[in-house]
Amino acid sequence: QKEVEQDPGPLSVPEGAIVSLNCTYSNSAFQYFMWYRQYSRKGPELLMYTYSSGNKEDGRFTAQVDKSSKYISLFIRDSQPSDSATYLCAMSVFSGGYNKLIFGAGTRLAVHP
Amino acid sequence: DTGVSQDPRHKITKRGQNVTFRCDPISEHNRLYWYRQTLGQGPEFLTYFQNEAQLEKSRLLSDRFSAERPKGSFSTLEIQRTEQGDSAMYLCASSSGTGSPPDTQYFGPGTRLTVL
Repeated sequence: QKEVEQDPGPLSVPEGAIVSLNCTYSNSAFQYFMWYRQYSRKGPELLMYTYSSGNKEDGRFTAQVDKSSKYISLFIRDSQPSDSATYLCAMSVFSGGYNKLIFGAGTRLAVHP
Repeated sequence: DTGVSQDPRHKITKRGQNVTFRCDPISEHNRLYWYRQTLGQGPEFLTYFQNEAQLEKSRLLSDRFSAERPKGSFSTLEIQRTEQGDSAMYLCASSSGTGSPPDTQYFGPGTRLTVL
């Protein structure tokens, strides 16, 4: 079993829809929970991170963490065609003097006009 | 900051050949990471440098792989005797190592390797 599980999709939604992306994890030692966005043929870019259970909002994006269920979510409100990308969840644990990142497989999202 | 850069962006090679990739991190970032990403998967950790010291290597990094970071600036990743299974996107990331947690890793655009 992988430490981080993420449904690869693809997910196709109309413009303006609310999108929900999810990951589960098994390692209780994970300290930070991140969402990266990766456009085709580009490197991942950090969208948001959080370290505690609860919600964190940034514009149209809301990250949610439930440590008791080992479940994290990213919600995108008023989705736009420019949001079409692969969304990667990542968890970090402090090990060997640095924050080691473990990524999910990524969910491919397509927002159509 | 100009961001993390990688060169080349694409590399096509024949099985058995050696290839070398270069990564230039964000200036003054003392931590550098290499990842491998195959189609439909997330990035997988390969190795980590603190300045010029290679401090961790994944079991994914077989004896055919070697990474260096001379003088703690740019880094190179070499794959010897390439195999078709080495075809993947190789991503480099850097972080400052001095800021508050989680010490955000910034990724480069990647080098896409195709082994024929």
